[in-house]
This record gives sequence, structure tokens and C-alpha cells, in this order.
Amino acid sequence: DQQVKQNSPSLSVQEGRISILNCDYTNSMFDYFLWYKKYPAEGPTFLISISSIKDKNEDGRFTVFLNKSAKHLSLHIVPSQPGDSAVYFCAARVQGAQKLVFGQGTRLTINP
Amino acid sequence: DAGVTQSPTHLIKTRGQHVTLRCSPISGHKSVSWYQQVLGQGPQFIFQYYEKEERGRGNFPDRFSARQFPNYSSELNVNALLLGDSALYLCASSTGSNSNQPQHFGDGTRLSIL
Repeated sequence: DQQVKQNSPSLSVQEGRISILNCDYTNSMFDYFLWYKKYPAEGPTFLISISSIKDKNEDGRFTVFLNKSAKHLSLHIVPSQPGDSAVYFCAARVQGAQKLVFGQGTRLTINP
Repeated sequence: DAGVTQSPTHLIKTRGQHVTLRCSPISGHKSVSWYQQVLGQGPQFIFQYYEKEERGRGNFPDRFSARQFPNYSSELNVNALLLGDSALYLCASSTGSNSNQPQHFGDGTRLSIL
């Protein structure tokens, strides 16, 4: 039962353009959503989060959008830079708990 | 400031053995969670501890156990190791039990079972 899904295993984007990573979820009890970036041989690094009471959160080049009716989350990176090449995980938290449920990850490659 | 630290970084064990993994949270963080990540998948929740009490448990067998100490550091124990336990074990810390604060991860312990 995959409650959080990232349907694109990989994405390739040209440097300077926008990267859009997508995530779908099924559990209506999720109340907090996060994006993490992971380099090889390192742990996931927190990027940005959004509460279920909001539909957008921005931090520098990173913006997360939440569409609750569609149960869809997206991360926009503008402009994309070579250092953004990594695996990106979306995660969701069930209301009242600290447990995070992760998607399978999307490998983003930024081409010069 | 030091982030979440985990030890050891790598470990090789054989089937049937037991293992203890250690985690020190970010200073001031009272909540520690453990996750297992197998290749090609996202991390899967194992345990969460807050103020030395277990607050959540994932769908893992009783061979997996954990505890949190008064200084908020934590240990994950796995008994009777199986080949399928080979994975990256991640520890994450956060400020509180149910606050809208992100969990911050260590670099993990890579466990290989032969």
C-alpha cells in the first residue's frame, strides 16, 4: 500500500530551466508535507515543507505547491543548477504522529 | 552546530548475529526516529522516540528494538539478522513530538549481511 507515490523515477533538465518534481498521495489524514534531497553516501537533507492548511510555500529557488483536492504535491526549482542533481524524496506525516511516509524518490539530473 | 551523528558508518555482519546502531540527535532535539532504506526505495519508518518513550512503531518484526537515553541519544538493535536486513539505517531528530518542524537526518549506517 504505497500511500505516497513519485511516479517519475528520473527527470533530466537543462541548467537554468525550471525543474518540476511531482508527488501524489492517498491518505487524507496527512497534514504536513516535506521535500528532501539526497546525495550518494549522505543522509536526506531537508529542503522545504508545507502544512496542509496552505497551498504554497516558497524558499529562495524552491517552491512547494499543495493541491489537496487532487492529493498532489509538487516541488519547483527555478533556476535549476548543476548542484541540484540528486535524488528527491517527498514525504508526508499523518496528523497526530511523527512518522514520515516517503515516496520512492525521483533522480533529478541537471545538464549544463 | 553538529548535525545528527550516527555510528558506525558501515557494518558487515553474518546471518543470525545481532547489531546495535547508535544515533546522537541535534542539540536541543528531543525526538529521534529510525528509518530503513533499501536500494531504490524511500526510507521506511521503524520507530519514533520522544522523551525516552516509544511514540510510534512501523511494520517491522520484534527482532527490531530501540531505546532512547536521558541525553536523547538512541540505539537501534536488530537480533537474528537476515539477509533482507541489509540496508541503510537512518536516524532523524526533531524538536518535539508533534510540532510542524522537519526531521533532520544523519548520514546513516550501511549494514551489510553476508
